[in-house]
Amino acid sequence: EAQVTQNPRYLITVTGKKLTVTCSQNMNHEYMSWYRQDPGLGLRQIYYSMNVEVTDKGDVPEGYKVSRKEKRNFPLILESPSPNQTSLYFCASSWAGGRNNEQFFGPGTRLTVL
Amino acid sequence: AQSVTQPDIHITVSEGASLELRCNYSYGATPYLFWYVQSPGQGLQLLLKYFSGDTLVQGIKGFEAEFKRSQSSFNLRKPSVHWSDAAEYFCAVGAGGGNKLTFGTGTQLKVEL
Repeated sequence: EAQVTQNPRYLITVTGKKLTVTCSQNMNHEYMSWYRQDPGLGLRQIYYSMNVEVTDKGDVPEGYKVSRKEKRNFPLILESPSPNQTSLYFCASSWAGGRNNEQFFGPGTRLTVL
Repeated sequence: AQSVTQPDIHITVSEGASLELRCNYSYGATPYLFWYVQSPGQGLQLLLKYFSGDTLVQGIKGFEAEFKRSQSSFNLRKPSVHWSDAAEYFCAVGAGGGNKLTFGTGTQLKVEL
């Protein structure tokens, strides 16, 4: 089944404790993105990747890191999480860039930073 | 910069009634428009998309949307709502580099039985 998977689905952590949220897609997509969803703000792009070893900032990159060492994986790293990073995070992938390519979303990771 | 406005935060309709969710966009070039649905605890599922051509597009689950360039709108409609349609609906415009989607703030749909 074609899908985007994220782990963990739920995570509660404390301020400053490094964490990684994994994302994997099995569709051989080139493009992958991370979004965060906050009430009243919709979804905002954090980082995106156009291919292996190629990443760039989205609209809200502060406090986040990403890497793309393999085509299928795109982990999101919070090196020193803070409470304002409490949010619902989505990973997405698509065949290619360009405005018209449909993005496929993972199930989301709900992160709480105490 | 591109933006999407969904003026209705919450909408309640009775099962079997018709539905229209509003979406207005701002974008300097030809917009590529999407509607996604998010059921509780789920990811986002694409309902339909508009790239070009016929301004009335059909999607999954009986939804349709009409692109009106003169009004900068892309409203989502369904003639008869089912209880399972209760969810949050997001309108988005494809813009910028990196395949970014710019989302509206969402409309929460409640269906009364």
